[in-house]
Amino acid sequence: GDSVTQMEGPVTLSEEAFLTINCTYTATGYPSLFWYVQYPGEGLQLLLKATKADDKGSNKGFEATYRKETTSFHLEKGSVQVSDSAVYFCALSGAAGNKLTFGGGTRVLVKP
Amino acid sequence: GAVVSQHPSWVICKSGTSVKIECRSLDFQATTMFWYRQFPKKSLMLMATSNEGSKATYEQGVEKDKFLINHASLTLSTLTVTSAHPEDSSFYICSAVDYLSTDTQYFGPGTRLTVL
Repeated sequence: GDSVTQMEGPVTLSEEAFLTINCTYTATGYPSLFWYVQYPGEGLQLLLKATKADDKGSNKGFEATYRKETTSFHLEKGSVQVSDSAVYFCALSGAAGNKLTFGGGTRVLVKP
Repeated sequence: GAVVSQHPSWVICKSGTSVKIECRSLDFQATTMFWYRQFPKKSLMLMATSNEGSKATYEQGVEKDKFLINHASLTLSTLTVTSAHPEDSSFYICSAVDYLSTDTQYFGPGTRLTVL
């Protein structure tokens, strides 16, 4: 079945540092790929998505490129802020409607 | 933006009792809602897909008689954990799909269930 693997956290960074969270997936067909973010005490929010190979999703300074050849969708941000501290989830949506398969989540802590 | 609420945000109950969790889409109509379960430091696991006006579709390994799902309106889905036991203690999260924008799920803040 479908699966998503992302790096375990926590990831601790200083403000303005570069952030990368690796995400790889296994799926049949051509899934859509997502990054969700969960801020403390809040629900999951869609951060960005990509629906086909080589698409780049971007939002709030975050970027991720759908790499079919490496089955990856790594999340990057060039300069993080304290407000980026959250848990980040990589997910895919396969052929079965809108069902999402999530990775384990990566906690990111940005220190001033 | 689209907001999904859950009630209660946390609940503690005795073993053998039933607990109902509500999931509401506040400013949009949702023909489809999903229920997830999240164990500590683990991923979200899809439990079931709830479609308005029809029976829920459960994922493999999820007991439908234990986790009763009702989606009686376009803005409300409920999950009832029947005869709860300590192993049912978990974080339950719902999401809703705006019927006007079917590729995005909006998530609720989750409900922490503790069964004593």
